[in-house]
Amino acid sequence: NAGVMQNPRHLVRRRGQEARLRCSPMKGHSHVYWYRQLPEEGLKFMVYLQKENIIDESGMPKERFSAEFPKEGPSILRIQQVVRGDSAAYFCASSPPLQRWDEQYFGPGTRLTVT
Amino acid sequence: GEDVEQSLFLSVREGDSSVINCTYTDSSSTYLYWYKQEPGAGLQLLTYIFSNMDMKQDQRLTVLLNKKDKHLSLRIADTQTGDSAIYFCAVPNSGNTPLVFGKGTRLSVIA
Repeated sequence: NAGVMQNPRHLVRRRGQEARLRCSPMKGHSHVYWYRQLPEEGLKFMVYLQKENIIDESGMPKERFSAEFPKEGPSILRIQQVVRGDSAAYFCASSPPLQRWDEQYFGPGTRLTVT
Repeated sequence: GEDVEQSLFLSVREGDSSVINCTYTDSSSTYLYWYKQEPGAGLQLLTYIFSNMDMKQDQRLTVLLNKKDKHLSLRIADTQTGDSAIYFCAVPNSGNTPLVFGKGTRLSVIA
């Protein structure tokens, strides 16, 4: 059973471009979480999704950021018009339908660099 | 909301014990977690403790929980160079929001 997969692992964007980060949860997992890790910081929760539903987006910046988890395909975190402050590692985690916190499995992360 | 604090750095000699400390604010958390992050990698769940326990031991790892002081610690016995990593304490926030992480403690093991 493959783990949580994220791609790309590294992404470089110029200021003003769009960044798309993809996350494929573990097989059988229907819950996806996105976290952001700024340099020398812990992980900050951004958004929690189930298939086709956003459950909690209290950690998402109000502008430029959006997330989806379609019926088919990976979850996408989209950042429009990126700025230097968006440079960070973005981690995705997934958990099975009967949610237990100890069953959040993390992907390897996407490291976004904005130049 | 929940606030989780950790010291940022710890340096120990190989073979010694490491103790990483964490404090939190919300007393309603049912589970408390320790994650390990190696350089360039994602987070790996190391261990967790249920809030009605004071201690949990798992091989070289011992978790101690003081609910009164809202203090959580992770002890690594016989620390090895492979234990060098960043260790995060994580606590579920109240309501529906997933885990709140501390800033992480960077453990350096000196051979």
